[in-house]
Amino acid sequence: KAGVTQTPRYLIKTRGQQVTLSCSPISGHRSVSWYQQTPGQGLQFLFEYFSETQRNKGNFPGRFSGRQFSNSRSEMNVSTLELGDSALYLCASSVLAANTGELFFGEGSRLTVL
Amino acid sequence: AQTVTQSQPEMSVQEAETVTLSCTYDTSESDYYLFWYKQPPSRQMILVIRQEAYKQQNATENRFSVNFQKAAKSFSLKISDSQLGDAAMYFCASLKDNAGNMLTFGGGTRLMVKP
Repeated sequence: KAGVTQTPRYLIKTRGQQVTLSCSPISGHRSVSWYQQTPGQGLQFLFEYFSETQRNKGNFPGRFSGRQFSNSRSEMNVSTLELGDSALYLCASSVLAANTGELFFGEGSRLTVL
Repeated sequence: AQTVTQSQPEMSVQEAETVTLSCTYDTSESDYYLFWYKQPPSRQMILVIRQEAYKQQNATENRFSVNFQKAAKSFSLKISDSQLGDAAMYFCASLKDNAGNMLTFGGGTRLMVKP
């Protein structure tokens, strides 16, 4: 069974640009969550989607957005990139809608903003 | 808001020995869940162990066990018979009830295992 797949794995952008990251969950998993990991702030929750609906949203500015498609694949977008957006963006999927907290993580997309 | 604190940025243990990683949390919720996740270098983060707050019995998964002290809001992870493959970042996390999968993570503890 394939794991959570995130693309691209690495990318470099400049300030002001926008970026779209993709996440394919484990087959059968309908919940997809996104987390930002930085050395300074640690792991912070961005948002969670279930059945194409955003269920929860973390404390991030509106430049961070996401969506989920009918096949459960998810994308997140960051517009008007800032240097502080440099981070490892982790996607995680879960088979259940209920809060089991049992997340299956991808390897992440490492974004560098210059 | 929930907060999770891991006071040990780094720990080391000799192979085959036992090590305990500390975690404290703060929550006003009565129903919540606690977790330990492991993030090996350049590999996916994986769930190590999960504890429901309403359960008094400490969770155990093979060589991994927790010491859950609800009144003290403490949730430590004990790794017995440490192996080289246990070397990783370990994150403590909390999840309040009815919050989907919106976990709050601690800052992490880097565990080094010496052969």
